[in-house]
Amino acid sequence: QKEVEQDPGPLSVPEGAIVSLNCTYSNSAFQYFMWYRQYSRKGPELLMYTYSSGNKEDGRFTAQVDKSSKYISLFIRDSQPSDSATYLCAKDALEGGGADGLTFGKGTHLIIQP
Amino acid sequence: KAGVTQTPRYLIKTRGQQVTLSCSPISGHRSVSWYQQTPGQGLQFLFEYFSETQRNKGNFPGRFSGRQFSNSRSEMNVSTLELGDSALYLCASSWGQGADSPLHFGNGTRLTVT
Repeated sequence: QKEVEQDPGPLSVPEGAIVSLNCTYSNSAFQYFMWYRQYSRKGPELLMYTYSSGNKEDGRFTAQVDKSSKYISLFIRDSQPSDSATYLCAKDALEGGGADGLTFGKGTHLIIQP
Repeated sequence: KAGVTQTPRYLIKTRGQQVTLSCSPISGHRSVSWYQQTPGQGLQFLFEYFSETQRNKGNFPGRFSGRQFSNSRSEMNVSTLELGDSALYLCASSWGQGADSPLHFGNGTRLTVT
């Protein structure tokens, strides 16, 4: 079992909808979570990071971590066509990064229809 | 502030050759990490350097190597190329480690091995 699981999609929603993107992880030793957005032919761009349970909000984006169920979510409000991209969740150990660096999910391809 | 710069953007090599990829981190960042991205495996950690020392290494064969210079710039080398080495190679930099030092990625070098 891969340590971080993501539904690859594609997930297609109409413009203006609320988008929910989810990841599950298997190793509770990891406590630091990130969401990256990757456009075609570009590198991943950091959207949000958090190392605690609960919600963290930044503009239209909200990251949610539930450590009891090992579930990570990213919500996008008022979705725009420019949000169409692949969204990657990642985790890291709190101390020292660990021998494996960041562990990424394979990404969810999101399409916002105008 | 300039982002992470990777050169070249595209490379085509033949099996058995070797290749060197270059990465210039964000100014002030001392940690550089390398990742391989493929459609099948997603993003996989190669290695991390901090102050010219390799701090972590992923599960890749010895054909993959890297180094970091005193100005924090980094190179990675792949010798005896195989078809399976075709991938997007991403470099990321951060000022340190841990929750308050997230990775910032470049746009990658697309390597095609024929």
